[in-house]
Amino acid sequence: DAGVIQSPRHEVTEMGQEVTLRCKPISGHDYLFWYRQTMMRGLELLIYFNNNVPIDDSGMPEDRFSAKMPNASFSTLKIQPSEPRDSAVYFCASSPPGLAGYNEQFFGPGTRLTVL
Amino acid sequence: SQQGEEDPQALSIQEGENATMNCSYKTSINNLQWYRQNSGRGLVHLILIRSNEREKHSGRLRVTLDTSKKSSSLLITASRAADTASYFCATGNSGTYKYIFGTGTRLKVLA
Repeated sequence: DAGVIQSPRHEVTEMGQEVTLRCKPISGHDYLFWYRQTMMRGLELLIYFNNNVPIDDSGMPEDRFSAKMPNASFSTLKIQPSEPRDSAVYFCASSPPGLAGYNEQFFGPGTRLTVL
Repeated sequence: SQQGEEDPQALSIQEGENATMNCSYKTSINNLQWYRQNSGRGLVHLILIRSNEREKHSGRLRVTLDTSKKSSSLLITASRAADTASYFCATGNSGTYKYIFGTGTRLKVLA
């Protein structure tokens, strides 16, 4: 099993540009999470999906952020337009089916985003 | 806002010594998990302790939970250089998959 796969690993872009981050969860996992990690705010949950359906997007900072999960093996997090304060490491994680609140999350390696 | 706050923020010890990290949280929980993050990598799950458990072991890891004090501790015994990483607690409640992560403890084990 390759684990959770994220691409790209590093992204440098200029303010105002659109950024798309990609994630492939572990096969058989039906929960997918997007997190953002910064020194100031730590690890923040942005949104999570169950069976490709967004369940809780209360952590999405603003309308510039959007996430989709068109199928069980692929999700995207898009920022349009990007701003320097969006610079962070973005993690995707997945969980297998199970009792809510007792699940281990499997994290991808993250995408380090720098917005100039 | 952060649910868990780890203490200390940073810890430096010699190889072979024990490392203890603490996590305090604010609201009632059903379980608490500990994760490790190596530099430049994603988080890796270490151990989960349920609210009705007081202590749990996994290899060189020992986790305690005191729900009356809303706190947990992670003890790594006989530390190794490879244990150098950041350690995070994450609190969860039944019925939700939304975990709240703490601020982390940066552990450095000197060879």
